[in-house]
Amino acid sequence: AQSVTQLGSHVSVSEGALVLLRCNYSSSVPPYLFWYVQYPNQGLQLLLKYTSAATLVKGINGFEAEFKKSETSFHLTKPSAHMSDAAEYFCAVSLTGGGNKLTFGTGTQLKVEL
Amino acid sequence: DAGVIQSPRHEVTEMGQEVTLRCKPISGHDYLFWYRQTMMRGLELLIYFNNNVPIDDSGMPEDRFSAKMPNASFSTLKIQPSEPRDSAVYFCASSLSAAGANVLTFGAGSRLTVL
Repeated sequence: AQSVTQLGSHVSVSEGALVLLRCNYSSSVPPYLFWYVQYPNQGLQLLLKYTSAATLVKGINGFEAEFKKSETSFHLTKPSAHMSDAAEYFCAVSLTGGGNKLTFGTGTQLKVEL
Repeated sequence: DAGVIQSPRHEVTEMGQEVTLRCKPISGHDYLFWYRQTMMRGLELLIYFNNNVPIDDSGMPEDRFSAKMPNASFSTLKIQPSEPRDSAVYFCASSLSAAGANVLTFGAGSRLTVL
């Protein structure tokens, strides 16, 4: 069975600082990996996805993530945080092949301070 | 497309009452998922359908929960009888398998409060 672990349930950064949200995965087969964002009182929105093509994946709003097989990691980064980035971020994994269910991590709440 | 449509957005009910949550997936999507989100457990997959057929309902908490998908454009999640511990935000999501990696599109959620 596949799973993801998100380190740090709360992360606080200053506006303009680097954002780093950590995600490690466990999967017996090559996985698909995702980052979703949830703004208050809204559903989850896809930020980016890894599907075994390029290991560095660029997403919306300036976010990117790098798939590192040797470290079983898929950390999310953004060079410069903006106040509008404050939200909850979820890492998710699924087995390769369309239609399989996603398993989500426990989420990381990102706070951006002036 | 209007996206995944869920109703009601908010529901407050008393313990023992029946609750029905509704979902209209994106037209053409062949997978539909029901998730529950709570502070304690995070996001849990309850059940998912492929072409209107339930594929995996192992996440359904107990017999009080049931889900149906009578056609490609409608699904319901029913709780009968409801209990305070069912209070949560319930999300419906849909995806298109032919698109490869299953990118889920989520609805805005139904916030359920059971008193």
